Amino acid sequence: DSGVTQTPKHLITATGQRVTLRCSPRSGDLSVYWYQQSLDQGLQFLIQYYNGEERAKGNILERFSAQQFPDLHSELNLSSLELGDSALYFCASSATGNSGYTFGSGTRLTVV
Amino acid sequence: AQKITQTQPGMFVQEKEAVTLDCTYDTSDPSYGLFWYKQPSSGEMIFLIYQGSYDQQNATEGRYSLNFQKARKSANLVISASQLGDSAMYFCAMREAYTGNQFYFGTGTSLTVIP
Repeated sequence: DSGVTQTPKHLITATGQRVTLRCSPRSGDLSVYWYQQSLDQGLQFLIQYYNGEERAKGNILERFSAQQFPDLHSELNLSSLELGDSALYFCASSATGNSGYTFGSGTRLTVV
Repeated sequence: AQKITQTQPGMFVQEKEAVTLDCTYDTSDPSYGLFWYKQPSSGEMIFLIYQGSYDQQNATEGRYSLNFQKARKSANLVISASQLGDSAMYFCAMREAYTGNQFYFGTGTSLTVIP
């Protein structure tokens, strides 16, 4: 157990639907990062939150949004889902400075 | 320009042999960190080793070592005495201390250990 908890582990949904992925960071980590890993695009950075505030934005579609709550857990909302959104979505957390990421086990999203 | 480049999409190594996975990086930040992660077929991302830009010595963690050549901007991962369980995807990543908190990942190298 890495200390970063992601739920659900697997999600199958239909095109056009909306889903919410949840992440609880490792205890003491203030930063949460979301990544999308698809077969053809590798690991793509989506967005980062630090202590409840958006800190950095990557290649996140307008159909996607995220937030970090006062208890530091984060949610990634994906709406109007398309087949191409099928991917493994990772959450990671880190402390400050040059420390590394600790990844959650990921949520495998399949859009049918 | 790519921040992290991994030029080996796939590698094979005989069990018990050593293997080097290549990684080059691009940054103008004086302070940065370099990381390697392992992703087995089960999907989780496992942290392996870290090298800071100011570290004088190459990082080592058990059978993993990082061959850090700062002038060449390379951070190759060396796995000694390969085991069947080392078969996985390996990602090199970089974090720049002053220009952002985002990690930049390479495209990965798929390592297969042959018995």
